[in-house]
Amino acid sequence: GAVVSQHPSRVICKSGTSVKIECRSLDFQATTMFWYRQFPKQSLMLMATSNEGSKATYEQGVEKDKFLINHASLTLSTLTVTSAHPEDSSFYICSARMAGALYNEQFFGPGTRLTVL
Amino acid sequence: AQSVTQPDIHITVSEGASLELRCNYSYGATPYLFWYVQSPGQGLQLLLKYFSGDTLVQGIKGFEAEFKRSQSSFNLRKPSVHWSDAAEYFCAVVLITSNTGKLIFGQGTTLQVKP
Repeated sequence: GAVVSQHPSRVICKSGTSVKIECRSLDFQATTMFWYRQFPKQSLMLMATSNEGSKATYEQGVEKDKFLINHASLTLSTLTVTSAHPEDSSFYICSARMAGALYNEQFFGPGTRLTVL
Repeated sequence: AQSVTQPDIHITVSEGASLELRCNYSYGATPYLFWYVQSPGQGLQLLLKYFSGDTLVQGIKGFEAEFKRSQSSFNLRKPSVHWSDAAEYFCAVVLITSNTGKLIFGQGTTLQVKP
C-alpha cells in the first residue's frame, strides 16, 4: 500500500517549451502533496506544498509562475515547468501525505528526470 | 534555526563491516524522525521512522536507529553492510505540531561499500 507514481520518469525538451509532470497516489487519498527538486549529489529541496482544491504554497525563492502546481483531486497533483530553460534541468520528486495521517508521514514517488536542451 | 545535520557527507565501509550514520536535529521539541535511502536515479525509500515509544526502532533491510533525546540524535545503524547498501541516505524530520507536514532533510550521506 501507499504507492505514489510519477509520470513521465524521464523527459527531454527544448528550451522554451513547457513540461508537465504528474504525481499520483495509487492506493490512497492524498490531501497534501509536496514537490521537491534535487540537484546531483545534493539533498531534496522543497519547492511547494499543494493541498487538494486550493492554491499551492511555494517556498521562498521558487517562482510560482514558472512552476505551476495543480492539485485537482485527492489522487493527482501536477507540476508544470513553463518556458523551460537548461537551468531547470533537475530531478523532480513528489510525495503525498495520506488523508488522516497521524504522523505526517510522506510517501515518495520515483522521481522525474527533466533535461532541457 | 531549525535544522537537520548529517555530519558525514561520504562514508566508505567494507562489506560485512558495521555501519553507523549520524543525524542530529535542532528543534525546540521532539519531532517525528525518518531515515530514507535513495539509489541513483531513484526516489526515496523509507527505511524506518520514529514517532514515540521505544527509542530503538527496527526498519527494513536490517537497519535500525536509536533516538537519543539528550543528544538530539537519531543515528542509523546496521551490523553488517552488504554491497547493495551502497546508496544515498537521508535523515529527515517533521515537527509534531506542523500543519503542513513539511519534511526537513539533512544534507545526505553517501555510502560506499568496498568488496
